[in-house]
Amino acid sequence: SQKIEQNSEALNIQEGKTATLTCNYTNYSPAYLQWYRQDPGRGPVFLLLIRENEKEKRKERLKVTFDTTLKQSLFHITASQPADSATYLCALTYSGAGSYQLTFGKGTKLSVIP
Amino acid sequence: ETGVTQTPRHLVMGMTNKKSLKCEQHLGHNAMYWYKQSAKKPLELMFVYSLEERVENNSVPSRFSPECPNSSHLFLHLHTLQPEDSALYLCASSQERGITYYGYTFGSGTRLTVV
Repeated sequence: SQKIEQNSEALNIQEGKTATLTCNYTNYSPAYLQWYRQDPGRGPVFLLLIRENEKEKRKERLKVTFDTTLKQSLFHITASQPADSATYLCALTYSGAGSYQLTFGKGTKLSVIP
Repeated sequence: ETGVTQTPRHLVMGMTNKKSLKCEQHLGHNAMYWYKQSAKKPLELMFVYSLEERVENNSVPSRFSPECPNSSHLFLHLHTLQPEDSALYLCASSQERGITYYGYTFGSGTRLTVV
């Protein structure tokens, strides 16, 4: 079965620096790889999606890369702010099953220190 | 509000009770999902409904029973739960097989405590 590893359970970073979170997966490549943000007691919020034929995707201060050879995605937050503190979840989607079913990693809890 | 509304936000129930969780989406999506989130574990997919038909069960115990009466509403009926079923239950929706896929929209969840 597919396994998703987010290599850091927690990450502390100084305000203004770039935060880099890692997501690794095993087995076959997904159709889509996605990143979500989750605040305590709330549902995840969709941030970015990257397709298997794409290398990089950007949205404001966020950047996602996707390397199907390494089976890895990197998620970057530039000029990080305390408001970016949250848990970030990596998720994979395989469309072959007939519905877009997401498999999630455990997440990385990011703390941006003022 | 994200467009996916879950009620109640919090629920405490005894092991012999019967209760239901409700999810409603106003996004025009045609797929809806139930996920369970326990501490220190990744989100676990419980049920998938696509075009109002269940397409995934994932070996969920029968004490959890889903219902999808139409494309906008999803229920999770609970009965004779165990304390280990205490968790955050999340509903999500998405547009399946669309030309453009934008990911899931989640509700805020129901925090369930079984006593």
